[in-house]
Amino acid sequence: KQEVTQIPAALSVPEGENLVLNCSFTDSAIYNLQWFRQDPGKGLTSLLLIQSSQREQTSGRLNASLDKSSGRSTLYIAASQPGDSATYLCAVQYGNKLVFGAGTILRVKS
Amino acid sequence: ETGVTQTPRHLVMGMTNKKSLKCEQHLGHNAMYWYKQSAKKPLELMFVYSLEERVENNSVPSRFSPECPNSSHLFLHLHTLQPEDSALYLCASSRQNGSPLHFGNGTRLTVT
Repeated sequence: KQEVTQIPAALSVPEGENLVLNCSFTDSAIYNLQWFRQDPGKGLTSLLLIQSSQREQTSGRLNASLDKSSGRSTLYIAASQPGDSATYLCAVQYGNKLVFGAGTILRVKS
Repeated sequence: ETGVTQTPRHLVMGMTNKKSLKCEQHLGHNAMYWYKQSAKKPLELMFVYSLEERVENNSVPSRFSPECPNSSHLFLHLHTLQPEDSALYLCASSRQNGSPLHFGNGTRLTVT
């Protein structure tokens, strides 16, 4: 069964900290892996997409890595800000299907 | 503006009602998706349409009926729903397999 797990479920940090969100998946035959952000009551915003042949992607203060053989991805957020507070979702694509983790709820305190 | 527009934003319906959710995209994408997001559960894929043909039906009850009349529009017709169907219903579109999905803001559905 294709499952995606995210750790931790929730995280509260002071502003300015660097932090790491973890994602693991059971089936390594992936097409790609995406990290999304979801604000309360809103849809999903795509942050980074890593193709199965890639090892990492960077966008501003965000860096996502992918280790397909071990079934893991991490999202690194540098110098966190209160505006980063949101739910972060990891999703793995298998063919037509995007399988989501349950998310990490991040709160950055000012 | 996400490029994917869903209406209505909120919907309250009784168990005997019939209603429809609408999704529209003008991104030139050729695949569209319905996802369900229930409280404290991961997003669940419901349906996938590729080039207006349904290619995935993830064991969804027949009280949910999708329709894709063209590559820009996707509907989810609802009838005789249950209270446990209350959730955020998200529509997404993409160019093709392996391309990023773009999501709408969702319809918050409450079944009373």
